[in-house]
Amino acid sequence: QLQLRESGPGLVKPSETLSLTCTVSGGSISSSSFYWGWIRQPPGKGLEWIGSIYYSESGSTYYNPSLKSRVTMSVDTSKNQFSLKLTSVTAADTAVYYCARLTNSHEVNYWGQGTLVTVSS
Amino acid sequence: DIQMTQSPSTLSASVGDRVTITCRASQSISSYLAWYQQKPGKAPKLLIYKASTLESGVPSRFSGSGSGTEFTLTISSLQPDDFATYYCQQYYSYSLTFGGGTKVEIK
Repeated sequence: QLQLRESGPGLVKPSETLSLTCTVSGGSISSSSFYWGWIRQPPGKGLEWIGSIYYSESGSTYYNPSLKSRVTMSVDTSKNQFSLKLTSVTAADTAVYYCARLTNSHEVNYWGQGTLVTVSS
Repeated sequence: DIQMTQSPSTLSASVGDRVTITCRASQSISSYLAWYQQKPGKAPKLLIYKASTLESGVPSRFSGSGSGTEFTLTISSLQPDDFATYYCQQYYSYSLTFGGGTKVEIK
């Protein structure tokens, strides 16, 4: 049974960098059939895709244009993990952050449980 | 970006009702549309992909239809477990976008 688990600080100060890691168990992050991604949901609001990454050495990435200048995603196949960095955060970045597995078509067929990240001083 | 617009934003219905949710895309997305169900405090769950293909394990009372710019999610007979928020998502473009959500409430 595939499981995805987010980890990282639950509180980040404004202007600092939000860093999250997703650990994948029950399956390989190196599968050629899938992408890995991050999606967030501000409290009481809808879903926003942040970005997607492929496991390969070239690490093909796709980022939300509205966040692209602040987002970096990476994959560590040795640890079966992928990561998100979001720089220069503000209160508007407060959200539940989900890591996810996407098919090659890019529908999301597995989700982590989500982790709340609050941006506050 | 492709904008996805769902309607209604809230829907009140009773157990046994037939429920239809609409999702419109700002440009044609062929059939590259997925539907998700989300319950409070939980991650979304994939229900339908490619506009009309039921994900494994999803009850057959859920169905999807449409192509191009207009899509619908139908629940043929609403069950107590179906009260939740539903989202559409387009993946025609690698810049993925979600609809704003439709909350299905108990009438």
